[in-house]
Parts: sequence; structure tokens; C-alpha cells
Amino acid sequence: DSGVTQTPKHLITATGQRVTLRCSPRSGDLSVYWYQQSLDQGLQFLIQYYNGEERAKGNILERFSAQQFPDLHSELNLSSLELGDSALYFCASSVGTGRQPQHFGDGTRLSIL
Amino acid sequence: DAKTTQPTSMDCAEGRAANLPCNHSTISGNEYVYWYRQIHSQGPQYIIHGLKNNETNEMASLIITEDRKSSTLILPHATLRDTAVYYCIVRFLSDSGNTGKLIFGQGTTLQVKP
Repeated sequence: DSGVTQTPKHLITATGQRVTLRCSPRSGDLSVYWYQQSLDQGLQFLIQYYNGEERAKGNILERFSAQQFPDLHSELNLSSLELGDSALYFCASSVGTGRQPQHFGDGTRLSIL
Repeated sequence: DAKTTQPTSMDCAEGRAANLPCNHSTISGNEYVYWYRQIHSQGPQYIIHGLKNNETNEMASLIITEDRKSSTLILPHATLRDTAVYYCIVRFLSDSGNTGKLIFGQGTTLQVKP
């Protein structure tokens, strides 16, 4: 158990819909990262927050947004969903933004029908 | 971030040491080497990281060559539960340490066989 909690574990929805994925970091961790893993793209970094502020952005689509709340939990919002958005979405957390390792949750499997 | 090269797949007999190589010939002085693994579709699991010295923890050992252009992850006594995809990642850290993202390649699929 990494201590990072992601909900829901599975999500099935239709094209055009909007969903919210939630992540609770490990106790004491200030940084939260979101990654997407699809069959054809592998694991890709989406976005990072540190203590409530956006710190780095990766290949995140404009239809996707995220935020980190004062209690440090984070949400990833995916809108206007397309079939290609079907993937595993992982959240990771770390103490800071330096060389401390990131610890990953078990992910949310998103299926678009 | 420096690119890494890993073999696509490897086999290892249960109980034997598994040695997973990684080439990172373009690594720079302030880039760390990290190893993660992913068992089936679970979240990636942190294993170990290092800069230039060899490192050991309860899971594995990391051997980094003197020129830092390659490294080897060693699982001393592989078990069936070590079957996973192993990722070698070179991660740049600025002086302020504010670059946190991990760039995953394709990794090495390690199959531990009875």
C-alpha cells in the first residue's frame, strides 16, 4: 500500500461526458502528479501541483484540467470525453519537488463507450 | 531529460539474481537514475534511485558505472512476484529541485520462471 488513494477505481461513461477523478496523497506529501497510461502511449506525465499551485505541465489536453485543494487532495477533470481518453489514470505524490521518490496510487480505469 | 535504453524483455529463474541493465549515455551531472516497476496494471512502484554511488535497499541494489552512462538494477533473489515491467528513468533536478515529472520509456518486461 503506497498510501496514495484514488477514487473511483473504475469509471465507465459515454463520449461527450465529463468525469472527475480524485486523489488523496500520502500524509505529509505536498506534491501531486497525474499520469495517463494508454495502450499505445505508455505512461505519460500530465500535470503536477505543489502545495496548491500548478508546478509543471506535460501533455495534458485542453479538455483536461486539474486542481489541488487546501487539504492537498487533487482532482483531475476530464471533459468532452472521446474514445481515445480510455486509459488508466494514475496519481502520485511526493514530499516535495526534488529528488524524493514519487509514490503512485492504484489508478482509475476510465472506459469510454 | 536523458533518454534511457533498456532491453524489451528478460527471463530469470526463481531464486536467482535478476540483473536489469539500462543505458543512459547522455546523462548529465545533475541527473539521477530512478527505477520503478509496474506489476500488471497496478500503479508503478518505486524501487530505488541514485546519482553516482551504488545504492542498496530492502528491495534491490543499484550499480551505476563510474562514467554514469549505464546502470544495473539487481534483484538478489527473484521471486514469481517480481514479474513486472521495470522502468529505468533519468530525472533532471534543477538547483531548486522543482522539476518533478517522470518520463517513462517502454521498460523491460521481466519474467521470473519457476
